[in-house]
Amino acid sequence: DGGITQSPKYLFRKEGQNVTLSCEQNLNHDAMYWYRQDPGQGLRLIYYSQIVNDFQKGDIAEGYSVSREKKESFPLTVTSAQKNPTAFYLCASSIHAVLQETQYFGPGTRLLVL
Amino acid sequence: EDKVVQSPLSLVVHEGDTVTLNCSYEVTNFRSLLWYKQEKKAPTFLFMLTSSGIEKKSGRLSSILDKKELFSILNITATQTGDSAIYLCAVQYGGSQGNLIFGKGTKLSVKP
Repeated sequence: DGGITQSPKYLFRKEGQNVTLSCEQNLNHDAMYWYRQDPGQGLRLIYYSQIVNDFQKGDIAEGYSVSREKKESFPLTVTSAQKNPTAFYLCASSIHAVLQETQYFGPGTRLLVL
Repeated sequence: EDKVVQSPLSLVVHEGDTVTLNCSYEVTNFRSLLWYKQEKKAPTFLFMLTSSGIEKKSGRLSSILDKKELFSILNITATQTGDSAIYLCAVQYGGSQGNLIFGKGTKLSVKP
């Protein structure tokens, strides 16, 4: 089946710990995105990547880092610098980042701080 | 500043009612407006609107865009409990940063 997978489904982070959220797609999409969703809020863009080995900061990139070494993978690291990491994290992809296209979403990862 | 505003923020109706959800926007270089339905997990795509005045329909759901007045509505007729969800509106724009702005969503609860 084609689609976007995220893992883990739930992730617990201790104080001062870096954690990495996985996002993989087999849709052959060029563009990938990471969003954060807090209760009562819309989705906010953390980082996006239009092509392999390139990525750009979104609206709330501080405390996060990404890499795009392969077309199908776009992992997000939540660093200890992110002071309020508890949220639902959604990964998305689209064929391109420039044209009028729909973004398709993964199932999400819920991050909780211990 | 680019923004997308949805209203109401929450809505409670009974099965069989018709509901209208609103989305207004202010962006530069508008490209399209998208509606998503989010239940417990990730949003699922409903509609993509690019032209004014052309209604898109899918079963009991329909949506239309007004590019002059900068808004869109999502209609759901004969609501069912399975329609309970958060409905997200997003606007795709021609800027270089991220390409998509989301509203905060409308939480719809349909009571039996």
